[in-house]
Amino acid sequence: DAGITQSPRYKITETGRQVTLMCHQTWSHSYMFWYRQDLGHGLRLIYYSAAADITDKGEVPDGYVVSRSKTENFPLTLESATRSQTSVYFCASSEGVGQPQHFGDGTRLSIL
Amino acid sequence: GENVEQHPSTLSVQEGDSAVIKCTYSDSASNYFPWYKQELGKRPQLIIDIRSNVGEKKDQRIAVTLNKTAKHFSLHITETQPEDSAVYFCAANRNTDKLIFGTGTRLQVFP
Repeated sequence: DAGITQSPRYKITETGRQVTLMCHQTWSHSYMFWYRQDLGHGLRLIYYSAAADITDKGEVPDGYVVSRSKTENFPLTLESATRSQTSVYFCASSEGVGQPQHFGDGTRLSIL
Repeated sequence: GENVEQHPSTLSVQEGDSAVIKCTYSDSASNYFPWYKQELGKRPQLIIDIRSNVGEKKDQRIAVTLNKTAKHFSLHITETQPEDSAVYFCAANRNTDKLIFGTGTRLQVFP
């Protein structure tokens, strides 16, 4: 499914730095999502967006900022990275409510 | 809000045997239940889903059953193969924006 791409695939940064993870989809899906995946917690929703300029908090939004100025892009920013934000981040998109979500390849983020 | 519990957390089977993973959900209004397979280092991929107006759905060796009264749904894999080894996630959605995921089951199929 090359329709949704994440960049970078791997990132190492230091505490206190700002880092932005990119997500781009070519399906024109209305909905986009950001999850983090940690051992023992499965997939936890950080933020999601129902359409351009509409975003909402998920289960674990603290320390993260999102924007959606264009339908195809949904960047996730860690304004001041902390070690607890070391994780694998997945972006996903779907056509609408109750529709399958399609995931990107993920970004493995390490914060030292 | 919705809560999804998934069992077991790990499951080991012999090649050719069947595997069953069970999930329970808390919100009786939930009506969409997908299952995802995630191989090591890869993205979660949808393998099958079911909606609340259906009790069972099959796709080759994979089937999902839904019991709305008991609020649980199960993934059944028959004739397991080593390539079925992965982490499987269930999820539930009650016609809102969000999917709520279970914590995953690591399935190992031994040759």
